[in-house]
Amino acid sequence: ETGVTQTPRHLVMGMTNKKSLKCEQHLGHNAMYWYKQSAKKPLELMFVYSLEERVENNSVPSRFSPECPNSSHLFLHLHTLQPEDSALYLCASSQVGLAGVGDTQYFGPGTRLTVL
Amino acid sequence: AQKVTQAQTEISVVEKEDVTLDCVYETRDTTYYLFWYKQPPSGELVFLIRRNSFDEQNEISGRYSWNFQKSTSSFNFTITASQVVDSAVYFCALGASNAGGTSYGKLTFGQGTILTVHP
Repeated sequence: ETGVTQTPRHLVMGMTNKKSLKCEQHLGHNAMYWYKQSAKKPLELMFVYSLEERVENNSVPSRFSPECPNSSHLFLHLHTLQPEDSALYLCASSQVGLAGVGDTQYFGPGTRLTVL
Repeated sequence: AQKVTQAQTEISVVEKEDVTLDCVYETRDTTYYLFWYKQPPSGELVFLIRRNSFDEQNEISGRYSWNFQKSTSSFNFTITASQVVDSAVYFCALGASNAGGTSYGKLTFGQGTILTVHP
């Protein structure tokens, strides 16, 4: 299944580095999401883009900066991260319907990020 | 507010046993959707099923079956004759509009249940 792809799959970075995570969906969807999954914590929704417009930013620190240049691509730019930002970062996409409820989200394989 | 509770943190079974994963949800919406996802060690969340609040029929797909009971706000997932490949973390999720509505399908996830199937 290659509906949603993410690169890189693994990333190790120092606290002063700048890196970007990339997500691409091949499903023709119009909404894309970034989630953070830390050990022993539930999935945390970070950002949502619907029709290329950011519609949710869940109090995420400014060291995380999303970008959605078109409906198929989503980036997460990282800079001056902290060790507690080490986690699995998951991208998802969905086709937003009129009601905005019940859309199935399809996930990518995630990027395992380690901040030293 | 929406809430999903998966009370079983970890379950361990031996191959060929049946296993049921529990999911209880809370919402004030009358229209909502329930989901199950599987997360194998590779990390990707794999979509398994989506049910809407108006359809209480149980569903079976191969060795998987789902029991939706509105009266108890539960959407339980049973794996029959479990296999080692079923070992994964399973997430139940609720899609509801919440107060004010959203322009996308916001999901509330449970904490997940780690299922280990031993040979």
